[in-house]
Amino acid sequence: EVQLVQSGAEVKKAGESLKISCQGSEYTFRKYWIGWVRQMSGKGLEWMGAIYPGDSEIRYSPSFQGQVTISADKSISTAFLQWSSLKASDTAMYYCARNQERVDASDIWGQGTMVIVSS
Amino acid sequence: SYVLTQPPSVSVAPGKTARITCERNNIGSKTVHWYQQKAGQAPVLVVHYDSERPSGIPERFSGSNSGNTATLTISRVEAGDEADYYCQLWDSSSDLWVFGGGTKLTVL
Repeated sequence: EVQLVQSGAEVKKAGESLKISCQGSEYTFRKYWIGWVRQMSGKGLEWMGAIYPGDSEIRYSPSFQGQVTISADKSISTAFLQWSSLKASDTAMYYCARNQERVDASDIWGQGTMVIVSS
Repeated sequence: SYVLTQPPSVSVAPGKTARITCERNNIGSKTVHWYQQKAGQAPVLVVHYDSERPSGIPERFSGSNSGNTATLTISRVEAGDEADYYCQLWDSSSDLWVFGGGTKLTVL
C-alpha cells in the first residue's frame, strides 16, 4: 500500500528547534513532489512549500519562506520540515502530501504531525 | 493573485444536491482539484483534474470548471458527506500551489 507516514506529535518550547519527518513507502519516492501543509486549529489548509526529492528542487510559499526549511533524503525515502526557532504561532497540525507533477493533485497524504509550542 | 475564494459554509438537506464554488479570475484556464476533510482526519482527494473522480470516490461527487468559477457538486447528499471541502490548484505563473479557504458542508 502506498503511504506517507509522519513522525509523532511534538511538544516544544518557544525558541527551540524542531525537525519533523514524512516517510514514503511502496512507490518511487524520488519521482514525486512532497508538499507540506499547515492547518492551525479550526482553520483551513495552507500550502507551505514542496520538494522534489529527485533533484532537491524546493518551492516555498512566500508566507513561509525564511520561516521553515524543507529537505529530503531520498536514500531513506523521507522528507523533512524544520524550524530553527519555534514560535507559539507555529502550533498547528502539519501534513505532508505527494503529487507526481506540479499540476497533479495530492493523491496521498500523511496522517499529520501535531506540533504544540508553549511560550 | 493566486487567491481562491470559497463560501465559508453550505447547508443542504439529505438527498439534495450541494454545490461548492471556488472562484478566481480565469480559473477555467487552470486545473482544479478538490479535497474532503472530515473532523480529525487528513484530507482526501475527491475530484481531480477539474472533473475526474479518483478510484473509490462515489459517482455522487463531480466537478466542473469554466470561466471564473470551479464547482464541486455532491448529488444525493448523505450525512456522511458532512465535512470541510477545499479547492486547490498549481499556479504556473508563480510556480506555487494554493488552497481555497475551505467550505464547511452541513447536512441538515
